[in-house]
Amino acid sequence: QLVLTQSPSASASLGASVKLTCTLSSGRSSYAIAWHQQRPEKGPRYLMRINSDGSHNKGDGIPDRFSGSSSGTERYLTISSLQSDDEADYYCQTWATGIRVFGGGTKLTVL
Amino acid sequence: QVQLQESGPGLVKPSETLSLTCTVSGGSISSGGYYWDWIRQHPGKDPEWIGYIYYSGSTSYNPSLKSRVTMSVDTSRNQFSLKLTSVTAADTAVYYCAREPYDRGYGGPYDYWGHGTLVTVSS
Repeated sequence: QLVLTQSPSASASLGASVKLTCTLSSGRSSYAIAWHQQRPEKGPRYLMRINSDGSHNKGDGIPDRFSGSSSGTERYLTISSLQSDDEADYYCQTWATGIRVFGGGTKLTVL
Repeated sequence: QVQLQESGPGLVKPSETLSLTCTVSGGSISSGGYYWDWIRQHPGKDPEWIGYIYYSGSTSYNPSLKSRVTMSVDTSRNQFSLKLTSVTAADTAVYYCAREPYDRGYGGPYDYWGHGTLVTVSS
């Protein structure tokens, strides 16, 4: 079964960095994932795709403060120089034939 | 810049059919290369994939909704549509349309999303 697991919440201070984790189910270490940002009362916004080798492709206009990496079944989103409008829900997403899966989301609070 | 815009009734009665349309601008559905998806999000919950359609009309649906879902595409209007039959209050959600790369049929990340439209099922 293809499942993505995320911590429900994370917090970090203004100007600091934070690393969010998305874990693929066992045996799925070759899968790519995508990260999406959803600000309060807004639709999701594509941030980037992260491949199993850690390479990533960002969406249009995504600043350099956002970066991605990978290790085994874990996929990471690092946000540096945190700003107040980074406070949002962050969802990871993956895909396979006939299935599209979202993680449970991480609510990021900027202190 | 690709833009997607959902449209349709915001209120549907129980047991009736929910119908939504997504209009695409800044790119042509008929040029291929992308799946066109519907995704919904119940209040305070995670997004849920409903299904996708390709420009040729081929579709794939979430097994949990498959018996009630039909998607169609109108390449002349650069639109694709969703019909969900026999709705109940559990179908109340924000409905999004989105685009993903076709990538040899494997699919990919949702790189563009619509703003979403709230559909409430209530009598």
